[in-house]
Amino acid sequence: NAGVMQNPRHLVRRRGQEARLRCSPVKGHSHVYWYRQLPEEGLKFMVYLQKENIIDESGMPKERFSAEFPKEGPSILRIQQVVRGDSAAYFCASSPISASGGNTDTQYFGPGTRLTVL
Amino acid sequence: GENVGLHLPTLSVQEGDNSIINCAYSNSASDYFIWYKQESGKGPQFIIDIRSNMDKRQGQRVTVLLNKTVKHLSLQIAATQPGDSAVYFCAENRGDYKLSFGAGTTVTVRA
Repeated sequence: NAGVMQNPRHLVRRRGQEARLRCSPVKGHSHVYWYRQLPEEGLKFMVYLQKENIIDESGMPKERFSAEFPKEGPSILRIQQVVRGDSAAYFCASSPISASGGNTDTQYFGPGTRLTVL
Repeated sequence: GENVGLHLPTLSVQEGDNSIINCAYSNSASDYFIWYKQESGKGPQFIIDIRSNMDKRQGQRVTVLLNKTVKHLSLQIAATQPGDSAVYFCAENRGDYKLSFGAGTTVTVRA
């Protein structure tokens, strides 16, 4: 079985451009999470999505950042008008069951997209 | 504050020796803990997990110990190998889907 897939693996953007990061969860998983990792730091939760629904975006900046997980296709993390501070590794994880009522299922991570803003 | 942290940022270990990586947490409501291994340029890889109703769990060459009294978690790696060189993160789950990660411990295995 294929694990979580992310693309591109590396993305370079100039300030003001848009970045689109894609994530395909493990087959059969319908719950996706995005995390951001700054150099030499741990991962920080950004957003949790189920198919066609954003469940929790409390860790995501209110401006310029958006995420979606359509019925068909990968989850997309979109960063508009990127700034240098957006440079980081962005990881997607997936799990197999709903988080409603508390979810302690293991999250499996993809290889990440490393965004560099020039 | 509520956080997950590691006692030491780096650990150097001789190949073949056992490694112990420590983690402290402060949220007594946390009920699920996971250890991840992250190699350079890769995503976190699940190693082992433990729930709060347990104090020890063993996997292949790895053991996780949970001490809820002092809010301490440790990962023991037996017979450390060069391939074990990586950054190790403990993460806690407070009963929902959000994982809170510590800053990580870099393990370097000496030949």
